[in-house]
Amino acid sequence: QKEVEQNSGPLSVPEGAIASLNCTYSDRGSQSFFWYRQYSGKSPELIMFIYSNGDKEDGRFTAQLNKASQYVSLLIRDSQPSDSATYLCAVNSMGGSQGNLIFGKGTKLSVKP
Amino acid sequence: DAGVIQSPRHEVTEMGQEVTLRCKPISGHNSLFWYRQTMMRGLELLIYFNNNVPIDDSGMPEDRFSAKMPNASFSTLKIQPSEPRDSAVYFCASSRSSGRARGGELFFGEGSRLTVL
Repeated sequence: QKEVEQNSGPLSVPEGAIASLNCTYSDRGSQSFFWYRQYSGKSPELIMFIYSNGDKEDGRFTAQLNKASQYVSLLIRDSQPSDSATYLCAVNSMGGSQGNLIFGKGTKLSVKP
Repeated sequence: DAGVIQSPRHEVTEMGQEVTLRCKPISGHNSLFWYRQTMMRGLELLIYFNNNVPIDDSGMPEDRFSAKMPNASFSTLKIQPSEPRDSAVYFCASSRSSGRARGGELFFGEGSRLTVL
């Protein structure tokens, strides 16, 4: 059973702080990793993807991947109240069909003004 | 461009009734996914089509669930008979394998919230 684990939170950070969201996955053969954001009552939307070990930065967001530890994280710098949402980690395993993503249950982030 | 369109947005039905959820993917996308989301189990993949062909239906809970994709612009998810434990938000999503995220960028519809009494 391929699994993606996330701390459900809620994670509460003050405005302007760095929010750190973590995710572990069970399938060592996984090749592609994604972070989706889901606002309450809305559908998920892709915000970051990463394939190689190391860091990938996009604006205030940085995705970090460590395949040896089977660990992927998302850092949000200068957190804003508008970042308050549930963040879903998703993994595309090597054995799965292209685009067949396994999602974690998500971490709820609350950014306090 | 129109996004993924799902209908109905809300459905309330009684146990034992048939439920049909509908989805129109984004034009040009070659993959279509049906997901179910609950608080307890999160977002679960039910079935995945590629070029209208079902590729992976291992997530379909049981024979009460069935899905079809008769053409590139339409898909249905049917539950017959429905049970209270089927209550969830059902999302349809589409993607294209040539996209920026190697097919991992799923575009979700707004979801169909199903309540089975």
